[in-house]
Amino acid sequence: DIQMTQSPSTLSASVGDRVTITCRPSQSINSRVAWYQQKPGKAPKLLIYKASSLESGVPSRFSGSGSGPDFTLTISILQPDDFATYYCQQYNTFPWTFGQGTKVEIK
Amino acid sequence: QVQLLESGGGVVQPGGSLRLSCATSGFSFGDYGMHWVRQAPGKGLEWVAAIWYDGSNQYYVDSVKGRFTISRDTSKNTLFLQMNSLRTEDTAFYYCGKDSNIMTGYLDYWGQGTLVTVSP
Repeated sequence: DIQMTQSPSTLSASVGDRVTITCRPSQSINSRVAWYQQKPGKAPKLLIYKASSLESGVPSRFSGSGSGPDFTLTISILQPDDFATYYCQQYNTFPWTFGQGTKVEIK
Repeated sequence: QVQLLESGGGVVQPGGSLRLSCATSGFSFGDYGMHWVRQAPGKGLEWVAAIWYDGSNQYYVDSVKGRFTISRDTSKNTLFLQMNSLRTEDTAFYYCGKDSNIMTGYLDYWGQGTLVTVSP
């Protein structure tokens, strides 16, 4: 199985900060990576697919980049609504696998 | 708008069975692949199973192969997960999810989840 090593596991930040989360797959995944946001008690929400494509309706402060080995999710200007847990997912090879998650906390 | 609503969760003893359902609306169900993803309380996400838009192919994570069966009923716009020989490690919230196409592998809509608790 492809391991998705996500870092950091926790991130403390302030409103207005620029935030970067990284995922490193254990094998090539041909940029087939998605990013999700999950708030407590809620289902995940798709933010980014194919490494850098912004899902419809997602604010433009979210962006994805990378083509291997590392993939990055960036929040350009952190907003109060962005405090949540973020997951990467590879969908190149079965079984699809997720990173361990990054919790973005208020500093 | 797209809606996914899971049901069928509950408490079951080890070795028991449950059948989860996911009622969908707001999109052409027969045109999209579908998934089940689970999350143990306080833990991360684990993809469990997927079924092609036409039901022709199913894929499973190794830990549930031979015990879980994913299926779909296009006439009812509903996705199912039959879970047999349940183990304590199957305890989790189970989310159904819509694929972005016939089967790309990422989920563009998710249900709110249903909790399965496997306990003696």
